[in-house]
Amino acid sequence: DVKVTQSSRYLVKRTGEKVFLECVQDMDHENMFWYRQDPGLGLRLIYFSYDVKMKEKGDIPEGYSVSREKKERFSLILESASTNQTSMYLCASSLQTGGLIGNQPQHFGDGTRLSIL
Amino acid sequence: AQSVTQLDSHVSVSEGTPVLLRCNYSSSYSPSLFWYVQHPNKGLQLLLKYTSAATLVKGINGFEAEFKKSETSFHLTKPSAHMSDAAEYFCVVTGNTPLVFGKGTRLSVIA
Repeated sequence: DVKVTQSSRYLVKRTGEKVFLECVQDMDHENMFWYRQDPGLGLRLIYFSYDVKMKEKGDIPEGYSVSREKKERFSLILESASTNQTSMYLCASSLQTGGLIGNQPQHFGDGTRLSIL
Repeated sequence: AQSVTQLDSHVSVSEGTPVLLRCNYSSSYSPSLFWYVQHPNKGLQLLLKYTSAATLVKGINGFEAEFKKSETSFHLTKPSAHMSDAAEYFCVVTGNTPLVFGKGTRLSVIA
């Protein structure tokens, strides 16, 4: 079974701090994704990566950056945390087939509930 | 461009009665379609997927969905609801881009 592990279930940080959210997958998937989930807005894609050191902006990249130095690990960075980044953050991974990003289902971690005070 | 609309934000059913969660999609490509379920404080779990094989797709926990190209729909059904089905359900469409999620339907099951 695919396992996607997010390092923290709950995290509380202060405005202006640099925040790191870590995600590790154990199935050698090429693609990894970061989403935020807010009530009434569903899941919104922040960034994704289709290979080591490769990254692409999603729908809401402002205020975030990512790092993928190893295939199994994908980090989300909040450069200077703000209260409007309080949210549930979900990491996912998927196999890449036929050179496509989105034709395989994604496997999700349990999420990190981040509060910025 | 792709999009997905879940027609109900909240559905409430009695235990033992049928479940219908409605989803319409728009896609420029031959789409792949998925349904995911999310229980409280958990990540999303794949229920089933359609990838241009059989139009009636069976998933886990007794759920199934039918792909209807003429209606651009992919509704999720289950013959008999169980208390453990209470959760948030997401319809998802993709072609050659990252997944596009619907806003979710919260399913309540009443004893």
